[in-house]
Amino acid sequence: GQQVMQIPQYQHVQEGEDFTTYCNSSTTLSNIQWYKQRPGGHPVFLIQLVKSGEVKKQKRLTFQFGEAKKNSSLHITATQTTDVGTYFCAGRGANRDDKIIFGKGTRLHILP
Amino acid sequence: KAGVTQTPRYLIKTRGQQVTLSCSPISGHRSVSWYQQTPGQGLQFLFEYFSETQRNKGNFPGRFSGRQFSNSRSEMNVSTLELGDSALYLCASSLDPAGQGYTFGSGTRLTVV
Repeated sequence: GQQVMQIPQYQHVQEGEDFTTYCNSSTTLSNIQWYKQRPGGHPVFLIQLVKSGEVKKQKRLTFQFGEAKKNSSLHITATQTTDVGTYFCAGRGANRDDKIIFGKGTRLHILP
Repeated sequence: KAGVTQTPRYLIKTRGQQVTLSCSPISGHRSVSWYQQTPGQGLQFLFEYFSETQRNKGNFPGRFSGRQFSNSRSEMNVSTLELGDSALYLCASSLDPAGQGYTFGSGTRLTVV
């Protein structure tokens, strides 16, 4: 069945450093979504990518969808303490009725 | 507009009991999905409902069931609770299955003792 792998599982960075999390699917995706979950909170939708090779930016966050629509990345430039949390990717398979599968997330810790 | 509402927020049950969790989606959202979140396993897909029909089901035992009502509200039920069912149960809604991202509720924290 469809699997979505996300790496790394944990990442510690100094405040001001960059951060990247990677997501890989075992099958071609129709779209990929990214969510952020703050400690003690619930996942909050960040963005959806649909097109092959698509790149979208939200301030310091850059999201990419691979050409084959099987991988994606989230890059944060110059991290801030407000970026702390777990970042999840979620992919829906290429078939219309496929379910959305979440990666296990990357937990980001910011060192002051 | 009001967000996704899940009730109750916290629940403590004993092994063997059953539990029903409720989710009210954002007004106008007809797609509701349920996920189980545990520290080691992340977000595990349980069910997806749209217009009262179950579109997809995850790899959970038959003790886990759900339904959606005509007003799009959804419930999930877990029978014969086991210790391993302790988790945060999250409900998420969207306009339709192809909608632009989920809006999650705050979840129900279930503890089985």
